[in-house]
Amino acid sequence: ILNVEQSPQSLHVQEGDSTNFTCSFPSSNFYALHWYRWETAKSPEALFVMTLNGDEKKKGRISATLNTKEGYSYLYIKGSQPEDSATYLCALSSGGSYIPTFGRGTSLIVHP
Amino acid sequence: DGGITQSPKYLFRKEGQNVTLSCEQNLNHDAMYWYRQDPGQGLRLIYYSQIVNDFQKGDIAEGYSVSREKKESFPLTVTSAQKNPTAFYLCASSIARQGASGYTFGSGTRLTVV
Repeated sequence: ILNVEQSPQSLHVQEGDSTNFTCSFPSSNFYALHWYRWETAKSPEALFVMTLNGDEKKKGRISATLNTKEGYSYLYIKGSQPEDSATYLCALSSGGSYIPTFGRGTSLIVHP
Repeated sequence: DGGITQSPKYLFRKEGQNVTLSCEQNLNHDAMYWYRQDPGQGLRLIYYSQIVNDFQKGDIAEGYSVSREKKESFPLTVTSAQKNPTAFYLCASSIARQGASGYTFGSGTRLTVV
């Protein structure tokens, strides 16, 4: 079972703050890295799927970067809003099975 | 609208009983998955299926069974052999070999053994 680590486990920020969190993973046999947002009482929603080293993806105020050589991805939220409050999951697909392994998530709470 | 429907949302089961969780999708996705979430843990894969009439065990398949008789449906049975079945169960689907595309998730079923 692959070891996908997310940090921090939880984060409290004020509205308007920018924030970022990390997903670390084994760099060998990399295939794809996924980010999901999971709001309370809703289904997890796909944010990004990244496959190439150096990939940068953006969706509104949220962006992500990928470094497959060193085994990490950053998720950035610019100007956090209360509606950004959610758990952010990353998941790694590696060659072999392609089925992603999920990290434990980072819980973000944005205070008005 | 296309999506995944899981039912029921909440389920209570007596010890020693089998129970089946429903998962239906109308996205025409080939692959479907069952995950389990426990407090403080990441999503753990129970079973997956990449094509009709075929499925594979995930990391924690013991005490569970599945079937994939139709592309749209992937029910999960929690058997009495599952030692700790109380958990939140999520179903997902994707285009086959989904490493390059994300999952679509259902809204989950919370199972409690009483």
